[in-house]
Amino acid sequence: KAGVTQTPRYLIKTRGQQVTLSCSPISGHRSVSWYQQTPGQGLQFLFEYFSETQRNKGNFPGRFSGRQFSNSRSEMNVSTLELGDSALYLCASSQGTEAFFGQGTRLTVV
Amino acid sequence: LAKTTQPISMDSYEGQEVNITCSHNNIATNDYITWYQQFPSQGPRFIIQGYKTKVTNEVASLFIPADRKSSTLSLPRVSLSDTAVYYCLVGRFYNQGGKLIFGQGTELSVKP
Repeated sequence: KAGVTQTPRYLIKTRGQQVTLSCSPISGHRSVSWYQQTPGQGLQFLFEYFSETQRNKGNFPGRFSGRQFSNSRSEMNVSTLELGDSALYLCASSQGTEAFFGQGTRLTVV
Repeated sequence: LAKTTQPISMDSYEGQEVNITCSHNNIATNDYITWYQQFPSQGPRFIIQGYKTKVTNEVASLFIPADRKSSTLSLPRVSLSDTAVYYCLVGRFYNQGGKLIFGQGTELSVKP
């Protein structure tokens, strides 16, 4: 059974640009959530989607958005990138009490 | 969401058993206890999950006392490759709308 797949693995963007990250959950999982990990703040919850609906949202500015498609694949978008957005972005999929993470996308904003 | 407290760091040697204890005094009746392992620049890896008593799988054991206010992750005969950060989480993922609350985790260092 394939795990959670995130693409791309690495990304370098310039301040002010926007970026889209992709997450393919484990087959059959309908819940996809996103997290940001930085050395200073640790792992922080961004948002969660279930059956194409955002069910929960963390405390991040509106520049961070996401969506989920009918096949459960999810994307997150960050607009007007800032240097502080440099982080490891992780997605997790779940269909119950267990959540499984992808390898993450390392975003560097220069 | 129950808050967890675990040691910031631990040191061990290869071949030893390592026990990491997590305190979660405000655990709710429906909450599960889950442990993740994370290596640098990788996503957290699910290790084990339990509700009460003892759970064992191929990599670890999880001990949960009757009051469920704490839990202990036991790693038998650790190796250098077990050097990682270990997170204890409490909650019921599905019912929480996917919001996992990660604490600082325990940085385990295994020495030769």
